[in-house]
Amino acid sequence: EVKLEDSGGGLVQPGGSLRLSCAASGFPLNRYAMTWVRQAPGKGLEWVSTIGGLGVDTYYSDSVKGRFSISRDNSKNMLYLQMNSLRAEDTAIYYCAAGDVYFDHWGQGTLVTVSS
Amino acid sequence: DIQMTQSPSSLSASVGDRVTITCRASQSVSAYLNWYRQEPGKAPKCLIHGTSSLQDGVPSRISGSGSGSGTDFSLTISSLQPEDVATYYCQQSYSKPFTFGQGTKLEIK
Repeated sequence: EVKLEDSGGGLVQPGGSLRLSCAASGFPLNRYAMTWVRQAPGKGLEWVSTIGGLGVDTYYSDSVKGRFSISRDNSKNMLYLQMNSLRAEDTAIYYCAAGDVYFDHWGQGTLVTVSS
Repeated sequence: DIQMTQSPSSLSASVGDRVTITCRASQSVSAYLNWYRQEPGKAPKCLIHGTSSLQDGVPSRISGSGSGSGTDFSLTISSLQPEDVATYYCQQSYSKPFTFGQGTKLEIK
């Protein structure tokens, strides 16, 4: 069974940092590009970042470029999102998802709240 | 960036009704158009990828189509069921940044 489990969310002050993790099981992670998508409270879905299967190619939305960094450790079946210089507008549920052309498996999401 | 516009924003229909949600791209996305369903409090789930390819396990009463222009797409539920209550999103994967429509909230009358 394919499973993605997001973790690492929490309450952080503006300007702070947080690292999200996504543990994958049930499929060969190194064959999939992986993506982070977020959803602000009561709002729609927003693509954040994608990383290629080997971890070489990375892509970011303009809203997080220069502040967020996506990475992966295929030996541990893990995906990460390092978030720095957090802002109130980064408050959202963050989902990891498998794929880049379309997202066919999703984690349950982890809530990040940026507030003083 | 490619803008995705869905209509309607919300929809109320009866069990057994045929329901159609449309999605328009601000420029051609070829056939790189996907549909997701998000039930309240849950993660999204992919229903259709590549305009019309149904994901495994998705019932055949759900279908996707495109006009051929690469800008106009639709999701159709041929016979609405109570379990279809959710918000539906289209998403283009033609070019980054990948963008989603604003969502269509579907309710049962």
